Amino acid sequence: DAKTTQPNSMESNEEEPVHLPCNHSTISGTDYIHWYRQLPSQGPEYVIHGLTSNVNNRMASLAIAEDRKSSTLILHRATLRDAAVYYCILRANTQGGSEKLVFGKGTKLTVNP
Amino acid sequence: DSGVTQTPKHLITATGQRVTLRCSPRSGDLSVYWYQQSLDQGLQFLIHYYNGEERAKGNILERFSAQQFPDLHSELNLSSLELGDSALYFCASSVEDWFTDTQYFGPGTRLTVL
Repeated sequence: DAKTTQPNSMESNEEEPVHLPCNHSTISGTDYIHWYRQLPSQGPEYVIHGLTSNVNNRMASLAIAEDRKSSTLILHRATLRDAAVYYCILRANTQGGSEKLVFGKGTKLTVNP
Repeated sequence: DSGVTQTPKHLITATGQRVTLRCSPRSGDLSVYWYQQSLDQGLQFLIHYYNGEERAKGNILERFSAQQFPDLHSELNLSSLELGDSALYFCASSVEDWFTDTQYFGPGTRLTVL
């Protein structure tokens, strides 16, 4: 199963941009890169996903390296509500249509007021 | 609110016992996923059902089983419970079973085995 590597923790100040990195050097050509986050005492929630091109939505931007071996989740202006654990995962379409989802330990983001 | 409901919210039981966790997916979603989250292991994928059929198995123990019913709700059965089974159990749902689908997670069931 393709795996991702993320820093254990990062810190940011409120209203500043945050760049959360993820390495996935064993990514295959059909793997999608997904980001989820888990706020304290809640279930994970979807943030964004992409395949090759950079993606933007109302929550964040996803920058994908040209070789796809790494990606960066960008929060343009961090707020206190963005303090969470951020997971970078690869959605791997295994043979037969089954899939084993692999979540890493994620990056715990602390936002300072 | 993701639209996914899980019951019960908390469950305290003893070693050797059997419990059932219930998940109701979002209206219209055909896929249900189960995850276990413990402090030392992070979020672990257990099993995926699509429209009543098992699609994929992750790190699910033989003491654990799951099913998805015709009304699409799902149950996770945990038997012969051990202390190490204490964890948060999340259910997630998605519209289909494509690997591009967004998963919507429920609030979780916290299981404590004493």
